[in-house]
Amino acid sequence: EVQLVESGGGLVKPGGSLRLSCAASGFTFSSYSMNWVRQAPGKGLEWVSSISSSSSYIYYADSVKGRFTISRDNAKNSLYLQMNSLRAEDTAVYYCARDRDSSYWGQGTLVTVSS
Amino acid sequence: QPVLTQPTSLSASPGASARFTCTLRSGINVGTYRIYWYQQKPGSLPRYLLRYKSDSDKQQGSGVPSRFSGSKDASTNAGLLLISGLQSEDEADYYCAIWYSSTSKVFGGGTKLTVL
Repeated sequence: EVQLVESGGGLVKPGGSLRLSCAASGFTFSSYSMNWVRQAPGKGLEWVSSISSSSSYIYYADSVKGRFTISRDNAKNSLYLQMNSLRAEDTAVYYCARDRDSSYWGQGTLVTVSS
Repeated sequence: QPVLTQPTSLSASPGASARFTCTLRSGINVGTYRIYWYQQKPGSLPRYLLRYKSDSDKQQGSGVPSRFSGSKDASTNAGLLLISGLQSEDEADYYCAIWYSSTSKVFGGGTKLTVL
């Protein structure tokens, strides 16, 4: 069974940093690209970033480019999102999702940026 | 103008069919893209339903019933999600998405389905 479990969310002040993790199991993690997608409270889905299976290709939404860094550790079956210079508008539930189809999603972790 | 436009709401009766539209911005040809569809029930994570580019390039999500299907309307430059035999459990938000320029995924604003 495919499982994706996010962690690392919490309350952070504007300008602060946070690192999200996504632990994957039930599939060969190193064979799949991975994504981060977020959802602000009461709003729709917004793609944040994607990374290819070997980390050769990395893409970001314009809204986070230069502030967020996606990475992965295939030996640990884990996906990460380093978030710096956080803003109030980054407040959202952050989901990790598998492959270009986003065929499997985690439960999400809430990030709240507030003073 | 957004890349993908979805109506904010849709209502239909139990047992009837529902047709969701996802209109691509002028200048972006729907024929070029795989259209992805996701369902999100209140308080739950999104669920991948299917993707559709053509009848020869389509995929159903794992465990997704065949009453969910995809299509396109080239005349309106729109991707379509069709749900037949509506059930109360189908009440949810439905999102479409494309990989725009292959390096950036774009979601539509979502359509809220009410089954009444």
